Amino acid sequence: GAVVSQHPSRVICKSGTSVKIECRSLDFQATTMFWYRQFPKQSLMLMATSNEGSKATYEQGVEKDKFLINHASLTLSTLTVTSAHPEDSSFYICSAEAGSAYNEQFFGPGTRLTVL
Amino acid sequence: LAKTTQPISMDSYEGQEVNITCSHNNIATNDYITWYQQFPSQGPRFIIQGYKTKVTNEVASLFIPADRKSSTLSLPRVSLSDTAVYYCLVAPRGDSSYKLIFGSGTRLLVRP
Repeated sequence: GAVVSQHPSRVICKSGTSVKIECRSLDFQATTMFWYRQFPKQSLMLMATSNEGSKATYEQGVEKDKFLINHASLTLSTLTVTSAHPEDSSFYICSAEAGSAYNEQFFGPGTRLTVL
Repeated sequence: LAKTTQPISMDSYEGQEVNITCSHNNIATNDYITWYQQFPSQGPRFIIQGYKTKVTNEVASLFIPADRKSSTLSLPRVSLSDTAVYYCLVAPRGDSSYKLIFGSGTRLLVRP
């Protein structure tokens, strides 16, 4: 099946710094990618929908100026957590849509962000 | 988007068949039902998708009654490695930007 990678898999940063997370579709082109956040023992929460070459669409309650999303190519989307704070510590997961008739989304392995 | 309801948790033993039922009373005509599996600190993994009646693959079966207001994921002869959270999602197909809204999922624990 299609493979989606994320980098880094784990990151620890100091409060106030910015962190960039990459999401790549390795063997297919993804016109649409999605970013989720998951807190411990909770479900995935959709943060935003990212379309190649256009601005991301953010879900209600998600600060677009804090979570910057760039989808510059059909295989790469990035999420930058700006001025990170401890409450931003979470598991960030991306998914990419293969664009087939099945609209199947393939998920990345996730990135564990810890803000000290 | 149709909301889904699943049991919060289930326990089973190795070798047993596990059936997880999901309710989606407000499913729309063009909605499909998809199940994902998630292990701790990993992204969800696609298990199976269906529209009506029964779908079977090498991992699981999906049973969908005629009214499509519920669905049942069946895992035959589970093993310890099937311990995970299972999510039932409902979303349309054919729309390139449809969103997956995850519910609480069912935490399955398989015991020796």
